Amino acid sequence: GAVVSQHPSWVICKSGTSVKIECRSLDFQATTMFWYRQFPKQSLMLMATSNEGSKATYEQGVEKDKFLINHASLTLSTLTVTSAHPEDSSFYICSARVRRGGYNEQFFGPGTRLTVL
Amino acid sequence: AQSVTQLDSQVPVFEEAPVELRCNYSSSVSVYLFWYVQYPNQGLQLLLKYLSGSTLVKGINGFEAEFNKSQTSFHLRKPSVHISDTAEYFCAVSVGITGGGNKLTFGTGTQLKVEL
Repeated sequence: GAVVSQHPSWVICKSGTSVKIECRSLDFQATTMFWYRQFPKQSLMLMATSNEGSKATYEQGVEKDKFLINHASLTLSTLTVTSAHPEDSSFYICSARVRRGGYNEQFFGPGTRLTVL
Repeated sequence: AQSVTQLDSQVPVFEEAPVELRCNYSSSVSVYLFWYVQYPNQGLQLLLKYLSGSTLVKGINGFEAEFNKSQTSFHLRKPSVHISDTAEYFCAVSVGITGGGNKLTFGTGTQLKVEL
């Protein structure tokens, strides 16, 4: 149990276009999901916390108008990279939080590699 | 704010040899500690976690880690590595009120390369 999927697994787009990435919890409900980005050979950096039914909470330095997050249901959060540029090329990973045994554990999706030409 | 330091960016080791991946953290409050493994182009998989109780934590794939509060460390160990252990390993810390699992702060990762 506690499987998280992401779609697409990779995407290539032209500069200036928008890209939507989906994060789904397949066998559990998640009121909270997280979005991370990871540059090559670097660590994961938290971008935002996605809360079902409310606005996302963005980390300092993350442009909320550029990285639109929608958590419309308990099993789906989407990240839209608007007007993508080459510097947005990265590996985007989501996680979904579920409470187990008094502890809120995060389960990670397989990631989405975005390449902006 | 909490932080995590992984001193070794790369650790080469021969198959069947023991390995230790180092992790030190900094926090002004109690923390919850985690080790994750990431295979190429994949998400993160939890190896083990320390929430409370015994300071020696056993995880999947034969890995274990020991929480040392006085040294603020949470080093990962495996007595005998396999080729399939080649991957990137991340140490992470979170600060929670009860139950933890809130925001995770990751270290920069250690690339474990197991050679024949």
